[in-house]
Amino acid sequence: GAGVSQSPSNKVTEKGKDVELRCDPISGHTALYWYRQRLGQGLEFLIYFQGNSAPDKSGLPSDRFSAERTGESVSTLTIQRTQQEDSAVYLCASSSSRYNEQFFGPGTRLTVL
Amino acid sequence: GENVEQHPSTLSVQEGDSAVIKCTYSDSASNYFPWYKQELGKRPQLIIDIRSNVGEKKDQRIAVTLNKTAKHFSLHITETQPEDSAVYFCAAYNQAGTALIFGKGTTLSVSS
Repeated sequence: GAGVSQSPSNKVTEKGKDVELRCDPISGHTALYWYRQRLGQGLEFLIYFQGNSAPDKSGLPSDRFSAERTGESVSTLTIQRTQQEDSAVYLCASSSSRYNEQFFGPGTRLTVL
Repeated sequence: GENVEQHPSTLSVQEGDSAVIKCTYSDSASNYFPWYKQELGKRPQLIIDIRSNVGEKKDQRIAVTLNKTAKHFSLHITETQPEDSAVYFCAAYNQAGTALIFGKGTTLSVSS
């Protein structure tokens, strides 16, 4: 595709359920990032993948959050035992390398009831 | 770790006026500073960026200045237009170059 895509666009779940969010980066982009944006707030870094290197997971808020990426392809962000404070838009971005422009996907709006 | 402070949180200007948004960062090793614009309900988009080897960069009505000694950088928008209304975020990388740390954003409103 021409840009970063994410699915689903919206997800409503009940507290305690697990959710999986997907990101398809721009083809050829080695760097992939996940961010969380709560309503009216800034972007909060969650995790960074660069090729086959070990990811930087320093932004993950708790052990309920995990993410995977196979090579330079799609990535999934999993939130286990969701809580109401997990409600936010989860944005994925990719770039051709570090220190280059990050292109954002449209985001997944997660609502935890 | 890297900390990015952004001011003001809101800014209202008349069409045609200039707007300035300022950011400070804490990690002296940071060397790349992008600015993103986010319109309501949309994804952030890069509008301009600057690297540490230059002090200023311009692109039409938009300019960014960088003062590495003081660890601050600013976004300047001249001849503002209503379509400039959006939330603007500054950002800087952490020392490892793995995490882009964003400021809390500035909501710019341009009235005609």
